[in-house]
Amino acid sequence: GENVEQHPSTLSVQEGDSAVIKCTYSDSASNYFPWYKQELGKGPQLIIDIRSNVGEKKDQRIAVTLNKTAKHFSLHITETQPEDSAVYFCAASRRLDGQNFVFGPGTRLSVLP
Amino acid sequence: EAGVAQSPRYKIIEKRQSVAFWCNPISGHATLYWYQQILGQGPKLLIQFQNNGVVDDSQLPKDRFSAERLKGVDSTLKIQPAKLEDSAVYLCASSLSHSKNIQYFGAGTRLSVL
Repeated sequence: GENVEQHPSTLSVQEGDSAVIKCTYSDSASNYFPWYKQELGKGPQLIIDIRSNVGEKKDQRIAVTLNKTAKHFSLHITETQPEDSAVYFCAASRRLDGQNFVFGPGTRLSVLP
Repeated sequence: EAGVAQSPRYKIIEKRQSVAFWCNPISGHATLYWYQQILGQGPKLLIQFQNNGVVDDSQLPKDRFSAERLKGVDSTLKIQPAKLEDSAVYLCASSLSHSKNIQYFGAGTRLSVL
């Protein structure tokens, strides 16, 4: 089955700096890769996603890149703000309709003012 | 629109006791998921419903866990009997249909088994 690894497990950055979180997956048939943000006491919330036919996607301060050959994808957050502090999860799915997610173990991001 | 509602928010029980969690998905969402999130880990899918039918329960420990979605709306997840290793947050999520990939999560139920 699919296995998703995520690094780093914790990340601290100064406000205004960039943050990068990296994930690798094992199943070459995976074709949908969402990123979720989970704040304390809340459920995960989708922040951005990418499909296997696209190499990069950007939404304001957030971007995701995908390298299918190497089977890894990354989340980039620029101009970080304190409200970006949360746990971020990547996930991979074999189906284009996004079912049967396998989540990574998460990255705790702390943005220091 | 209202989000995914879950109750209770917290539950503390002793091992070998039974517990049930309730989920009300976003109105109109046909697909419902239950995930288990152990502290420090990502969510792990337990079961997926499409309307009132089970699509995937391959990771549900069926000797002690059960779930139902009788009318295709609300769902309950039950553990009987509970073990210490069942301590986790149980998340419910819903999506518009099996062909719509965005899953919306509830806040979860934090279960502590003593």
